[in-house]
Amino acid sequence: ETGVTQSPTHLIKTRGQQVTLRCSSQSGHNTVSWYQQALGQGPQFIFQYYREEENGRGNFPPRFSGLQFPNYSSELNVNALELDDSALYLCASSLVPGGPYEQYFGPGTRLTVT
Amino acid sequence: KNQVEQSPQSLIILEGKNCTLQCNYTVSPFSNLRWYKQDTGRGPVSLTIMTFSENTKSNGRYTATLDADTKQSSLHITASQLSDSASYICVVSSGLGAGNMLTFGGGTRLMVKP
Repeated sequence: ETGVTQSPTHLIKTRGQQVTLRCSSQSGHNTVSWYQQALGQGPQFIFQYYREEENGRGNFPPRFSGLQFPNYSSELNVNALELDDSALYLCASSLVPGGPYEQYFGPGTRLTVT
Repeated sequence: KNQVEQSPQSLIILEGKNCTLQCNYTVSPFSNLRWYKQDTGRGPVSLTIMTFSENTKSNGRYTATLDADTKQSSLHITASQLSDSASYICVVSSGLGAGNMLTFGGGTRLMVKP
């Protein structure tokens, strides 16, 4: 157990809908990163939040957005869902951004878009 | 473009045998290299983190090596166990800022058979 939790564990949505995924970081960690992992592939970096501000973004369209709250928990929102958005969504928390610090991953949310 | 390539893509070994997984990267600047173990449908769990100045690091039966000159890393698993069956992902960090962007390899899927 890493202390990072995600909800829900599984989700089925229809193309065009919107979805919100949630992540609670490990105690004391102020940095949360989100990743998309398609089946059989490595995770792809979506964005990172540090102290409630976006701190870097990967190659994902604006319909992928996020928030970080004062308690450092985080949300990932995806609008206008597409079939290709079906994936395992992982969040990871770390003590600070950067440096050789551990990133602790949550168990993931499996999103299926039909 | 930052890239991390892993080989082999998949590997089957008998319980008790050793194996070595390879990782080549073209990430700049380089901050650190990490190896993760990921069970199917779960979040990755960190095995080792190595910075530029480290060329070997062990974690139990797992030993990672790093050659920063040739930009290669390996993960050696000794006396494999059935519980080692998982995907092993090599991840390279490009340093401070930009969300501590991590570049993930596609992983090596290891199956240990009795």
